[in-house]
Amino acid sequence: KQEVTQIPAALSVPEGENLVLNCSFTDSAIYNLQWFRQDPGKGLTSLLLIQSSQREQTSGRLNASLDKSSGRSTLYIAASQPGDSATYLCAVSKGDYKLSFGAGTTVTVRA
Amino acid sequence: DGGITQSPKYLFRKEGQNVTLSCEQNLNHDAMYWYRQDPGQGLRLIYYSQIVNDFQKGDIAEGYSVSREKKESFPLTVTSAQKNPTAFYLCASRSQGDSPLHFGNGTRLTVT
Repeated sequence: KQEVTQIPAALSVPEGENLVLNCSFTDSAIYNLQWFRQDPGKGLTSLLLIQSSQREQTSGRLNASLDKSSGRSTLYIAASQPGDSATYLCAVSKGDYKLSFGAGTTVTVRA
Repeated sequence: DGGITQSPKYLFRKEGQNVTLSCEQNLNHDAMYWYRQDPGQGLRLIYYSQIVNDFQKGDIAEGYSVSREKKESFPLTVTSAQKNPTAFYLCASRSQGDSPLHFGNGTRLTVT
């Protein structure tokens, strides 16, 4: 069974600092990996999706890398802002319509 | 605008009652999902459906039921058999297995 872990569970940084969020998974036979953002009491918003054949994806200040062989993905958020405060979740798919989610990292960016 | 609508946002029920959560999407997506989210845990899959009139159990299907009579709609019924139904329920959809997953804004169910 695929296990997805996100460490740390919570992170607090001053505004302007770069954020580094980690996601690890136990079964490297994945189809793709997706990063999401969740605001309190809301649903998840898709940030980036990386196919298994890709090593990274970028969108604005966000960059996600994927190292399938070591079972790791990292989400980088450059020059953090208070509006980046949220919970960030990763999810991996084996291509069978089912995803396995991590519990998330809750980020607080202090003004 | 295309999206996923979950209703209601908050739902309160007495123990022993069945309750149905609504999920409607206008994204023309084939696959739809129901997840449950509890504090400090990752999302857990309850049921999913790849096409109309077909659905499969996820990891925690006991005490839940679904139907998929229309492509746009995937309602979830929480039955009295679900031992711990109080949670945040999220509906999601996507077009194919390699496309991004889109979520609704969730329904918070409280059973007392």
